[in-house]
Amino acid sequence: RKEVEQDPGPFNVPEGATVAFNCTYSNSASQSFFWYRQDCRKEPKLLMSVYSSGNEDGRFTAQLNRASQYISLLIRDSKLSDSATYLCVRGGADGLTFGKGTHLIIQP
Amino acid sequence: NAGVTQTPKFQVLKTGQSMTLQCAQDMNHEYMSWYRQDPGMGLRLIHYSVGAGITDQGEVPNGYNVSRSTTEDFPLRLLSAAPSQTSVYFCASSYSSSGAGFFGPGTRLTVL
Repeated sequence: RKEVEQDPGPFNVPEGATVAFNCTYSNSASQSFFWYRQDCRKEPKLLMSVYSSGNEDGRFTAQLNRASQYISLLIRDSKLSDSATYLCVRGGADGLTFGKGTHLIIQP
Repeated sequence: NAGVTQTPKFQVLKTGQSMTLQCAQDMNHEYMSWYRQDPGMGLRLIHYSVGAGITDQGEVPNGYNVSRSTTEDFPLRLLSAAPSQTSVYFCASSYSSSGAGFFGPGTRLTVL
């Protein structure tokens, strides 16, 4: 079983809609969690950290559920520029482990 | 700050050739790592370093060597390139192994 699992999509969502992604992780010793964004043929860029208490940054909200070992990302009022691949990441003493990503397409 | 820089951006090699991918960071991060990204496989860790003089293997280390003589630089060496090493290579740095990593722009390598 892959350590970090995500639905690869694609998610086709109309502009202005709300979209949510989940991912699950298997390593209970994980210390940190992140969402990264990756545009086509570009490097991954940190979108936000994820905490059990939740983390909100503008239209983006991330949540960690340690008991169920899943992480979520909510995007409100989606923009065309939100089209990208979103990578779920867990971190620990063994470094960062990436999910394969969820592909999001915002349609006008 | 330049952040994390990588050179070259593109490279074509013939099977059996060797080369070094360069990576440098100016954020004084102790932890640096190399990943490869292949379609359908996601990012996979090749090698990492927790500080100057200390390196270790990741998930897919075979065919690659690394060294860390300074905090700033972490080159990745392909000893004898194989077509299976055709990939996009990303270098990243962070304050710690579990900290958010900052990535370089990548090197797109093709081995013929």
